[in-house]
Amino acid sequence: EDKVVQSPLSLVVHEGDTVTLNCSYEVTNFRSLLWYKQEKKAPTFLFMLTSSGIEKKSGRLSSILDKKELSSILNITATQTGDSAIYLCAVGAFGAGNNRKLIWGLGTSLAVNP
Amino acid sequence: EAGVAQSPRYKIIEKRQSVAFWCNPISGHATLYWYQQILGQGPKLLIQFQNNGVVDDSQLPKDRFSAERLKGVDSTLKIQPAKLEDSAVYLCATGLDRGDSPLHFGNGTRLTVT
Repeated sequence: EDKVVQSPLSLVVHEGDTVTLNCSYEVTNFRSLLWYKQEKKAPTFLFMLTSSGIEKKSGRLSSILDKKELSSILNITATQTGDSAIYLCAVGAFGAGNNRKLIWGLGTSLAVNP
Repeated sequence: EAGVAQSPRYKIIEKRQSVAFWCNPISGHATLYWYQQILGQGPKLLIQFQNNGVVDDSQLPKDRFSAERLKGVDSTLKIQPAKLEDSAVYLCATGLDRGDSPLHFGNGTRLTVT
């Protein structure tokens, strides 16, 4: 059965700290790995990774995929209180009939204290 | 670009009543997903449409849940009759008809069943 596991499940840090969130997967017909940030509303898209070893960056956030280790990390440097959210990892794959499907992790709840 | 529109934002009903949610996708997005998200968990796929056809409804509780996407644009999700355990946020997400394109989420409908 396909699965996506995120760790840690929750994390509390102080402003200015650097955090690393992990996502590991066991998915047949892997296509892509996506990171989303979810505050009080719907998830907002952060990154999509398809190739191993190529870092994607957006401001203080960066992510990289390791297909050999079947995992990805999301780094946030110089954290701010506005980074407090649930970070979701999803793996895109081809399902039956070559249809696209997404397998979601449970998320990492990050709290950044002032 | 307008985002994914969902309504209503909140709904409170009693068990055994029925409820309907509506989703209007981003223009041109062929794939549409309905997710159920319970507090503290990742989104759970209920149904996936490709244009107006159902791609995956394997996790949809068909005895009480139904969904349609007439004309391949707007979609409605209905619950009849509702149970207490249906209390959750119902998210609509849409994407382009490309295997690696990210999903874009609406703000969701928060359903409370009392």
